[in-house]
Amino acid sequence: KAGVTQTPRYLIKTRGQQVTLSCSPISGHRSVSWYQQTPGQGLQFLFEYFSETQRNKGNFPGRFSGRQFSNSRSEMNVSTLELGDSALYLCASSLVTASGGANTGELFFGEGSRLTVL
Amino acid sequence: AQSVAQPEDQVNVAEGNPLTVKCTYSVSGNPYLFWYVQYPNRGLQFLLKYITGDNLVKGSYGFEAEFNKSQTSFHLKKPSALVSDSALYFCAVRDVRYGGSQGNLIFGKGTKLSVKP
Repeated sequence: KAGVTQTPRYLIKTRGQQVTLSCSPISGHRSVSWYQQTPGQGLQFLFEYFSETQRNKGNFPGRFSGRQFSNSRSEMNVSTLELGDSALYLCASSLVTASGGANTGELFFGEGSRLTVL
Repeated sequence: AQSVAQPEDQVNVAEGNPLTVKCTYSVSGNPYLFWYVQYPNRGLQFLLKYITGDNLVKGSYGFEAEFNKSQTSFHLKKPSALVSDSALYFCAVRDVRYGGSQGNLIFGKGTKLSVKP
């Protein structure tokens, strides 16, 4: 079974630009979460999507947004990039029950998209 | 508020010796606890979890963790360390504000494990 796939793996942007990152979850996984990893702040939760709806959101400004498609694939977007947005962005998928609750609890992570903002 | 603490930034162990990576947690209600490992320039890999039941949880690559409710700890252990175990280890707790089985994971800061030959 293929794992979580994130694209692109590496990208460089300049301040003020915007970026879109893509995530394809493991087949059958309907929940997708996004995390930002930086040396200073560690791993911080951005948001979680299930059935095309954002159901949890972390403490990030509105410049960070996301969406999920009917096939469970997800994208996140960061607008008006700042130097501090340079980070590894990790996507994770998980199984959920038909009612939407997590089935097993653990998250399966992709390799991440490393964003550098110059 | 839910939180996880990993008191050691780095742990150094000689190959063949036992290793322990420490984690303490603070949650309201029953905790859902996890350990992940991250190799350089890679994503996180799931090692093991505690939801309920036996306090000693066995996971991937020979790792195990002991849940101690009275000490609110969930330390990761391995009887005999390998050089290939060198990596960054994260302890995490599920945010129960959204219900025990939903919600995001709250991660500790990570502990760098270095195993020397």
